[in-house]
Amino acid sequence: SQQGEEDPQALSIQEGENATMNCSYKTSINNLQWYRQNSGRGLVHLILIRSNEREKHSGRLRVTLDTSKKSSSLLITASRAADTASYFCGSSWGKLQFGAGTQVVVTP
Amino acid sequence: GAVVSQHPSRVICKSGTSVKIECRSLDFQATTMFWYRQFPKKSLMLMATSNEGSKATYEQGVEKDKFLINHASLTLSTLTVTSAHPEDSSFYICSAPGPMDEKLFFGSGTQLSVL
Repeated sequence: SQQGEEDPQALSIQEGENATMNCSYKTSINNLQWYRQNSGRGLVHLILIRSNEREKHSGRLRVTLDTSKKSSSLLITASRAADTASYFCGSSWGKLQFGAGTQVVVTP
Repeated sequence: GAVVSQHPSRVICKSGTSVKIECRSLDFQATTMFWYRQFPKKSLMLMATSNEGSKATYEQGVEKDKFLINHASLTLSTLTVTSAHPEDSSFYICSAPGPMDEKLFFGSGTQLSVL
């Protein structure tokens, strides 16, 4: 069954702007992970946040986790055209289940 | 980082034929691999968990006789779509947990088109 649900489904921004997307999940997790997928390709791991963490940074990425609301957000700062991709959250308690993703388009 | 190789990247076949997709962990051992199916603009649906040396674990609603999974070695898992039909056309992706067993490394996917 689908565990993560990303929101919005699609996001269109210009280079330099920030992109924020959210993820909600249903059951308890031990960690939550964000992945990106370029069209027609596999997923690439971006960042992992554990259930006892509230915020994590990696380069231009910032992830937050609110376990009380069962939600997470991914912020991409100073976006670039190369950030154009679909972004998925996957929540883990043994195996990852993904939502439908947020399709991000960054225009030059 | 760990690399997962998936082949073929694209396959077109006739209805009724069987198609085998391979997933290899190139620089690490994977006792477990996951097979996902993805429809356009849809989520990745976990189909099954492949376990080295034992039977695969299928998710609810996935026909195990239709989607045969074999994990004969610590670096290779295969998914065979048997007697393929047009509704089996989809993007299939495999993944394996990395050496730390937390994040997944994905193959590049296989686009299956059944005519």
